[in-house]
Amino acid sequence: GAGVSQSPSNKVTEKGKDVELRCDPISGHTALYWYRQRLGQGLEFLIYFQGNSAPDKSGLPSDRFSAERTGESVSTLTIQRTQQEDSAVYLCASSTDQSRNEQFFGPGTRLTVL
Amino acid sequence: AQSVTQLGSHVSVSEGALVLLRCNYSSSVPPYLFWYVQYPNQGLQLLLKYTTGATLVKGINGFEAEFKKSETSFHLTKPSAHMSDAAEYFCAVNGGTSGTYKYIFGTGTRLKVLA
Repeated sequence: GAGVSQSPSNKVTEKGKDVELRCDPISGHTALYWYRQRLGQGLEFLIYFQGNSAPDKSGLPSDRFSAERTGESVSTLTIQRTQQEDSAVYLCASSTDQSRNEQFFGPGTRLTVL
Repeated sequence: AQSVTQLGSHVSVSEGALVLLRCNYSSSVPPYLFWYVQYPNQGLQLLLKYTTGATLVKGINGFEAEFKKSETSFHLTKPSAHMSDAAEYFCAVNGGTSGTYKYIFGTGTRLKVLA
């Protein structure tokens, strides 16, 4: 079956512009996660959704970052007024609503802010 | 609060040698534990996981890990390294309690395999 998909795969933008990153989770997965991975570093948790609600937004680095999820499916991560330090790979993952179950990761969106 | 510590951000082994990647966790309750692998320019892929039952867990590509509660460890091993094992490896923990879905990842260990 289809895995987690993300679009675009690569995004180059100018400082100050807004960007939207999309994640399509595996069908039926109620939990959805966003992570940021800077060059040479580990995964930085941003936010997770249970259904359409986000019980934990603690990882969002600033109010320029926001995310939403609709229909317990697709999620969009929006970064407003992008800065060079936002350059990273943004990974999305989904899982079923069982904490013992693995997360399935998408291939990521590589964001470059010039 | 839960945390995961991976000792050694970079590990180098010779082809055919033992691979040992260390992971220690802190958790107030028995957690669920995972190892993921990330090949260059790809997403993360599950290697193995521990939930309940047997503490020695076997995964894909010949990897295994042992959950040691007394040492709060979940080290990843492979008897004989292959060039294709060169990648970054992440240990992760999940609360293990109902309704706790947040995964905490370690900072990763980059494995280099020398010919």
